[in-house]
Amino acid sequence: GDSVTQMEGPVTLSEEAFLTINCTYTATGYPSLFWYVQYPGEGLQLLLKATKADDKGSNKGFEATYRKETTSFHLEKGSVQVSDSAVYFCALSGSQAGTALIFGKGTTLSVSS
Amino acid sequence: DSGVTQTPKHLITATGQRVTLRCSPRSGDLSVYWYQQSLDQGLQFLIQYYNGEERAKGNILERFSAQQFPDLHSELNLSSLELGDSALYFCASSVGGGRDTEAFFGQGTRLTVV
Repeated sequence: GDSVTQMEGPVTLSEEAFLTINCTYTATGYPSLFWYVQYPGEGLQLLLKATKADDKGSNKGFEATYRKETTSFHLEKGSVQVSDSAVYFCALSGSQAGTALIFGKGTTLSVSS
Repeated sequence: DSGVTQTPKHLITATGQRVTLRCSPRSGDLSVYWYQQSLDQGLQFLIQYYNGEERAKGNILERFSAQQFPDLHSELNLSSLELGDSALYFCASSVGGGRDTEAFFGQGTRLTVV
């Protein structure tokens, strides 16, 4: 079935460091891809999305490119801040589960000053 | 604030009991999704409703059921509860059923089964 695999965390970085969180997917058809973020005690919020191959999603300095040839959607940010500390989820939609989001297990990011 | 309201925020109950979780979607959203978040399983899709009709099913146990009412709010019923059902249950809503549509999440109901 459809699935999303993310790198295991936690990821610990110093402020202004470069961030990469790897995400790969397995799906039939052509899903849309998403990154959601969950801050402590809150629900998930959409960070960015891409709906077709080679699309780049971007928001708040974060970027991810839909790579069909490598079935990947890695999240990057050039300079992280303490306020970016959260759990990041990669997800896909539009495949076997219809339009429901299928999530990876999440990656915890901790940024220190 | 996402606009999705879940009640209650916390629920503690005993094994074997039945509980109902409630979700009010954002105004105008027709789709409602239910998810279960636990430490070992991560975020698991349970079920989706669209405009009152069941649209898709995920890893939902037979002891669990859901419905969406004419006013579009939704309820998730969990029965014969077991310790392993302890988790955070999220509701999300979206405008339509399209795969590109952003889903907005509530803050979740934390269920503890003792």
